[in-house]
Amino acid sequence: AQRVTQPEKLLSVFKGAPVELKCNYSYSGSPELFWYVQYSRQRLQLLLRHISRESIKGFTADLNKGETSFHLKKPFAQEEDSAMYYCDNYKLTFGKGTLLTVNP
Amino acid sequence: SAVISQKPSRDICQRGTSLTIQCQVDSQVTMMFWYRQQPGQSLTLIATANQGSEATYESGFVIDKFPISRPNLTFSTLTVSNMSPEDSSIYLCSVNLRSGANVLTFGAGSRLTVL
Repeated sequence: AQRVTQPEKLLSVFKGAPVELKCNYSYSGSPELFWYVQYSRQRLQLLLRHISRESIKGFTADLNKGETSFHLKKPFAQEEDSAMYYCDNYKLTFGKGTLLTVNP
Repeated sequence: SAVISQKPSRDICQRGTSLTIQCQVDSQVTMMFWYRQQPGQSLTLIATANQGSEATYESGFVIDKFPISRPNLTFSTLTVSNMSPEDSSIYLCSVNLRSGANVLTFGAGSRLTVL
């Protein structure tokens, strides 16, 4: 069965520290992975997707097929990064989400 | 970018009643998706609303409980029937606006509380 796992429900870091939000997937086909973000009082929105290999707001995520992972990383966290982050294998399978808090 | 409007944004309902949630998109889209997000949980896909045909339901969701309409390419409704407190959730409408990109754009959600 398809599954996306985000092992950390909560993650707290200090401003300027590196941050990594973990995502592991299990999927028999070719995964199509995304990170979505929900800031306080805003709707869920796309952050980035593995196909485009882009960096958005300083975040990057690399698909590692060997480890079946798609971890989200940022070298220097900012307070405005505080939000709920969801990993998704296109439409069907969202992870449970990780609440990131960046402390001043 | 396109706008997705959902209403109601929130409602409090009595057990045994039904509520219909509307989703309006300001551009034509082929598929619209309905998700449920129960308290403290992730998003779960309920069904895909196809224009001109019956909705496609995911495992664990049935048409009798969650009837869906899709009268045109910009509008869909989801009804939560015979509600119980377990149906208290945020219900989200989403669409794929970028052809070939499989990127989901979400509505603001409808927060439903069943007493």
